[in-house]
Amino acid sequence: EVQLVESGGGLVQPGGSLRLSCAASGFSFSSYWMSWVRQAPGKGLEWVANTKQDGSGKYYVDSVRGRFTISRDNAKNSLYLQMNSLRAEDSAVYYCARDVGSGSTDVWGKGTTVTVSS
Amino acid sequence: QSVLTQPPSVSGAPGQRVTISCTGSSSNIGAGFDVHWYQQLPGTAPKLLIYGNSNRPSGVPDRFSGSKSGTSASLAITGLQAEDEADYYCQSYDRSLTAYVFGTGTKVTVL
Repeated sequence: EVQLVESGGGLVQPGGSLRLSCAASGFSFSSYWMSWVRQAPGKGLEWVANTKQDGSGKYYVDSVRGRFTISRDNAKNSLYLQMNSLRAEDSAVYYCARDVGSGSTDVWGKGTTVTVSS
Repeated sequence: QSVLTQPPSVSGAPGQRVTISCTGSSSNIGAGFDVHWYQQLPGTAPKLLIYGNSNRPSGVPDRFSGSKSGTSASLAITGLQAEDEADYYCQSYDRSLTAYVFGTGTKVTVL
């Protein structure tokens, strides 16, 4: 079964850091671009970042560039999002998703919740 | 505020046809970038409904169809069913923002 499972969310103070993980199974992870998408409580979807199959290309939305780093370990079938200098507006459910072309994402995890609050 | 604008809500009776618009600009849809559509049922992750403007992934009923023209795109749902009650989002790429962008989202209500 094709599956993505996120972990690592939690409560963190403003200015703090958190590392999200996404474990992939059931498909050839190293063959796909991978993305992170977030959704603030009661709000719409926001694309956060994505990375090429070999991790050589990494792209970010302006609001997180310089604070967040996307990475992957193809040997472990895992995707990561290192989040630094967190702000209240980063509070959201973070989804890991498989990119199948032009940004379309056909497999999503259930998400992990990040809350930034003092 | 997203650069892709959708109506906040649309509604229809069971069996009816509803359409959801996604209005962009020359920086995204009008620049030729593909449009994708997602369905998000309450409390769940989004599901890819339409990719590449008008293509359905396997398993998506043919009641769902997508189109694109100029700086806009549309999702049509024919034969509306109670299970279609959900939030729907369009997505494309914006070359000015150099980022993928989602639409503002539309809540579909089945009367």
